Amino acid sequence: GAVVSQHPSWVICKSGTSVKIECRSLDFQATTMFWYRQFPKQSLMLMATSNEGSKATYEQGVEKDKFLINHASLTLSTLTVTSAHPEDSSFYICSAVNQLAGTDSQYFGPGTRLTVL
Amino acid sequence: QKEVEQDPGPLSVPEGAIVSLNCTYSNSAFQYFMWYRQYSRKGPELLMYTYSSGNKEDGRFTAQVDKSSKYISLFIRDSQPSDSATYLCAMSDVDSNYQLIWGAGTKLIIKP
Repeated sequence: GAVVSQHPSWVICKSGTSVKIECRSLDFQATTMFWYRQFPKQSLMLMATSNEGSKATYEQGVEKDKFLINHASLTLSTLTVTSAHPEDSSFYICSAVNQLAGTDSQYFGPGTRLTVL
Repeated sequence: QKEVEQDPGPLSVPEGAIVSLNCTYSNSAFQYFMWYRQYSRKGPELLMYTYSSGNKEDGRFTAQVDKSSKYISLFIRDSQPSDSATYLCAMSDVDSNYQLIWGAGTKLIIKP
């Protein structure tokens, strides 16, 4: 149980285009999902908290107009990187909280590697 | 000072050795403690979850929490080359809305 999928697993795009990444909880409902980015050999950096049916909460320094988050259902959150630039190249990872499990544990997707040319 | 300190390593040990991974923290409000394992180019995988102080064992893995010292540990017995990965500690308090505070991760290398 507690499987989270991400799609796509990797994407290469041209500078200036937008990229959408999907995060799905496959066998549980998640009212709360998180989006992280991770640079090589560094730990996870929280970008935003995504709550189903409400606006995402962004961490300081993360541009909400650039990283659009939509948590439209209890099993799906999307992150859209708008007008991507090479500095947005990174590993993006989502996680979901299985609140019915009664813990604070987050279950992570496999990540999406974004390369912006 | 970071809220959670973790030595990034790398930590290299021979196969079969007992591995000890540690994190220290400064926020006494933390109640939930987790260890995640992350293989290269993959998302983190939850290994152990502990609430408050004490020990928890799962197979070859043992998690310890010492709240008085603000110190948590993960022990791996009979280490295998497949245990080679980055191990991240994470923790939260009751008011965190499920947000986790992460250690930097320790890269572990098990040599055959």
